[in-house]
Amino acid sequence: EAQVTQNPRYLITVTGKKLTVTCSQNMNHEYMSWYRQDPGLGLRQIYYSMNVEVTDKGDVPEGYKVSRKEKRNFPLILESPSPNQTSLYFCASRLDRSTDTQYFGPGTRLTVL
Amino acid sequence: GQQVMQIPQYQHVQEGEDFTTYCNSSTTLSNIQWYKQRPGGHPVFLIQLVKSGEVKKQKRLTFQFGEAKKNSSLHITATQTTDVGTYFCAFGRGFKTIFGAGTRLFVKA
Repeated sequence: EAQVTQNPRYLITVTGKKLTVTCSQNMNHEYMSWYRQDPGLGLRQIYYSMNVEVTDKGDVPEGYKVSRKEKRNFPLILESPSPNQTSLYFCASRLDRSTDTQYFGPGTRLTVL
Repeated sequence: GQQVMQIPQYQHVQEGEDFTTYCNSSTTLSNIQWYKQRPGGHPVFLIQLVKSGEVKKQKRLTFQFGEAKKNSSLHITATQTTDVGTYFCAFGRGFKTIFGAGTRLFVKA
């Protein structure tokens, strides 16, 4: 089954404790993204990757890092989480830049105390 | 920066009534996308429009892209309880995707 998976689905952590949210897709997609969703703000793009080893900042990259060492995986790293990073995070992928359809993962609800 | 405004923020309808959400931009867009997110779920891509004045239909859903490519609408005919959720418009800017804040639809049976 074609899908985007994220882990963990729920996470409660404390300020400053490094964490990684994993994202994996099995569709051989070139393009992957991370978004955060906050009430009243819709989805805001954090980082995106056009292909292996090619990443760039979205609109809200501060406090986040990403890597794309393999085509299928695109982990989101919070080196020193802060309470304002409490949010619902979605990973998404699409075949390439010219393709319309973007597939989203199930989401990761992160709470930073 | 470039963004889209969605109205209304919320809409309550009786089952069987029609529903429309609007997406407006101050600048010309190269494309417009629509997504649906069920409560507790993830966004699901519905459609992309790229041509001026384009109209596309998916069963009870009608999507329209304005002539000036600055606005778009999603119309649902005869809503059903399965239509509940939040509808987002979004547009592509280079490699980025910019989302509106969404319209949350409530349907009363």
